[in-house]
Amino acid sequence: GNSVTQMEGPVTLSEEAFLTINCTYTATGYPSLFWYVQYPGEGLQLLLKATKADDKGSNKGFEATYRKETTSFHLEKGSVQVSDSAVYFCALSLLQGAQKLVFGQGTRLTINP
Amino acid sequence: GAVVSQHPSWVICKSGTSVKIECRSLDFQATTMFWYRQFPKQSLMLMATSNEGSKATYEQGVEKDKFLINHASLTLSTLTVTSAHPEDSSFYICSARDYLAYNEQFFGPGTRLTVL
Repeated sequence: GNSVTQMEGPVTLSEEAFLTINCTYTATGYPSLFWYVQYPGEGLQLLLKATKADDKGSNKGFEATYRKETTSFHLEKGSVQVSDSAVYFCALSLLQGAQKLVFGQGTRLTINP
Repeated sequence: GAVVSQHPSWVICKSGTSVKIECRSLDFQATTMFWYRQFPKQSLMLMATSNEGSKATYEQGVEKDKFLINHASLTLSTLTVTSAHPEDSSFYICSARDYLAYNEQFFGPGTRLTVL
């Protein structure tokens, strides 16, 4: 089946620290990969995506590279800010059919000033 | 980006009653909407895919007679939790797919349901 596994949280960092949130997937087909962010009290927002191997998605200083050989899509940011505190979800979607999203369990990130 | 609203944002009801949750795409038309359930500190679990003008497609293990979905227009889908019980208490989230935005899904802010 299709599944996404991301690193357990919560993750607490100091401002300007380097961030990595690991995400690996299993898929029966050839998926597109996503990172969503959920700020407190808000709905999920698409942060970045990649649709094929070796693609790099980037937005707001965050990056993730689609690694087919390791079935991974790790999220990174070089210098985090307090405003990055949120819950981050890795997800996949297959191009066929309804294009349903399969989510990882979410990682809560807290950035301290 | 496109905006999706949900109403109500939270609801408390007595066991045995039914609760209706609305999901609206405010500035785009959505032929497909999705309903998710999120337990505390857990991921979003897809419950069903809602298609405008046709029956919803439910995921395995989701009772279609308990979670009634109606997608009567291109901007509105409703989820009715019938004869709610405490175990139905959860955070329900909808999303709407915008085919004009490369099929990206836009998410509502969620509805917190508490059944007493």
